[in-house]
Amino acid sequence: DGGITQSPKYLFRKEGQNVTLSCEQNLNHDAMYWYRQDPGQGLRLIYYSQIVNDFQKGDIAEGYSVSREKKESFPLTVTSAQKNPTAFYLCASQSGRTGELFFGEGSRLTVL
Amino acid sequence: AQSVSQHNHHVILSEAASLELGCNYSYGGTVNLFWYVQYPGQHLQLLLKYFSGDPLVKGIKGFEAEFIKSKFSFNLRKPSVQWSDTAEYFCAVNAWGSNYKLTFGKGTLLTVNP
Repeated sequence: DGGITQSPKYLFRKEGQNVTLSCEQNLNHDAMYWYRQDPGQGLRLIYYSQIVNDFQKGDIAEGYSVSREKKESFPLTVTSAQKNPTAFYLCASQSGRTGELFFGEGSRLTVL
Repeated sequence: AQSVSQHNHHVILSEAASLELGCNYSYGGTVNLFWYVQYPGQHLQLLLKYFSGDPLVKGIKGFEAEFIKSKFSFNLRKPSVQWSDTAEYFCAVNAWGSNYKLTFGKGTLLTVNP
């Protein structure tokens, strides 16, 4: 099946620890995105990448880092510098033809 | 930079009522417009989209939206809602020349009571 796979689905971590969320796609899309979803705030863009080995900061990049070494993969690291990391994280890839985003099922991170 | 406003944070309707969710965007140039839906416990999925042509677009499950350029609006409508339409709805826009980066509204939670 073609789609976006995020893992893990649920993650608990202690304060001060870095956490890496995985995102893999087999849709052969060039562009990939990371959003953070908080109640009442919609989706806010963390980082995006339009091509391998290139990525740009979104609106709330502070405390996060990404890499894009392969077309299929766009992992997100939530660092200890992120002041409020507990959230629902969504990864998406984008069709270059239509601009439509295809989303994964999300990863819920809870920092204790 | 573009921005998106969704007027209602939470809408509560009874089954068979008509629905209209407001969405306005700010950007002076050409845009592509989207409505996404997130059913409880499920991932975001596309409801409908507008790129060009007929400003009235039809999506899945009986939803439609009308693009009114003069009002910078893209309101979502459904003539008769069902309990299964309970979900959160997000309006999104990307502007030509913005490298296709999508900007989302804050979402509207729709609760349909049986």
